[in-house]
Amino acid sequence: EDQVTQSPEALRLQEGESSSLNCSYTVSGLRGLFWYRQDPGKGPEFLFTLYSAGEEKEKERLKATLTKKESFLHITAPKPEDSATYLCAVRDSGTYKYIFGTGTRLKVLA
Amino acid sequence: DAGVIQSPRHEVTEMGQEVTLRCKPISGHNSLFWYRQTMMRGLELLIYFNNNVPIDDSGMPEDRFSAKMPNASFSTLKIQPSEPRDSAVYFCASSLRQGDNSNQPQHFGDGTRLSIL
Repeated sequence: EDQVTQSPEALRLQEGESSSLNCSYTVSGLRGLFWYRQDPGKGPEFLFTLYSAGEEKEKERLKATLTKKESFLHITAPKPEDSATYLCAVRDSGTYKYIFGTGTRLKVLA
Repeated sequence: DAGVIQSPRHEVTEMGQEVTLRCKPISGHNSLFWYRQTMMRGLELLIYFNNNVPIDDSGMPEDRFSAKMPNASFSTLKIQPSEPRDSAVYFCASSLRQGDNSNQPQHFGDGTRLSIL
């Protein structure tokens, strides 16, 4: 069964303190891995799609990487406005269904 | 451009009542998804439409749940009768057509927070 596990559940960082969020997944054949950002009271906002091991994507202070079993979202020198819940999702081959993890709640303190 | 629009934003109703959630996808998007989000289970896909046709409804929890997409610009999710365990945030998302070898980003609305008393 397809499964996505994110860790940690919650993370508090000081402004400028870099860290990484983890997304471990189990699928029979990865069609894509996705990162979303969700602010309170809002819907998830698309960040990245990764397709194969070794691939990397960057956007401002965020960098997503992918291996055969997990993905990392690296946050470099975060700012308070980076505070949000970060969601990871996978799509298995042969299906259009996205399986989401329960997310990492990130709080960046000024 | 307007994003995905959901209504109502909040709904509070009593157990046994019928609840209808509405969604207007982004113009030009062929695929539409209904999700439910809870703290315990996260985001779960309920149903997926492509070109107004339901493709996968395996996530619909019970016969009490039904979804329709009468045209490309409107979809509804109905719960009848509602139960307290249906309380959650319901999201609608749309995208360009999902292909076998392509992943189109899903664009989410801001959700409907549903409370069944």
